[in-house]
Amino acid sequence: GDSVTQMEGPVTLSEEAFLTINCTYTATGYPSLFWYVQYPGEGLQLLLKATKADDKGSNKGFEATYRKETTSFHLEKGSVQVSDSAVYFCALSGNNNDMRFGAGTRLTVKP
Amino acid sequence: DVKVTQSSRYLVKRTGEKVFLECVQDMDHENMFWYRQDPGLGLRLIYFSYDVKMKEKGDIPEGYSVSREKKERFSLILESASTNQTSMYLCASSKTTGTANQPQHFGDGTRLSIL
Repeated sequence: GDSVTQMEGPVTLSEEAFLTINCTYTATGYPSLFWYVQYPGEGLQLLLKATKADDKGSNKGFEATYRKETTSFHLEKGSVQVSDSAVYFCALSGNNNDMRFGAGTRLTVKP
Repeated sequence: DVKVTQSSRYLVKRTGEKVFLECVQDMDHENMFWYRQDPGLGLRLIYFSYDVKMKEKGDIPEGYSVSREKKERFSLILESASTNQTSMYLCASSKTTGTANQPQHFGDGTRLSIL
């Protein structure tokens, strides 16, 4: 079945460092891909999405490109801030509208 | 903005009790979902519903049931709570469209402890 594998954490960076969180997927057909963020004590919030190959999703300085040839959707940000500290989830939605999530990657940004 | 409201942020119950977790969404979404979130395991789907009075099992339905009597409300029921059901429970909703899959919108979660 459909599945998502994302980079294990935790990840600790200094402020203004470059961030990459790797995500690869296995799916039949043409899924939509998402990144969600979960701040402490809260539910998941949609960060960005891409619905077809070569689409780039972006929001709040984060970007991810839907790469069909490598079945990847890596999350990147050029300069992280302390406020970006959170857990990040990669997810895909296939033919049935249900969603498959990765295990989550905890990011801590130190001043 | 879509609002998904879970009735409790924190809940403590005893082994063997029947537990109800309530979720309400205000955007007329057709689809509703219940997940549990455990460290290192991500989100696991318990049950979902695509319409009123309709329910489908997810990946880990054992020990749980659900009810969807109205479109905006989706309840998760722990028939006889056990300690291994201590977890964070997340409710989500999404809209059905004919094109690309829509994102799910989440509530803030209920942290349930079974003693």
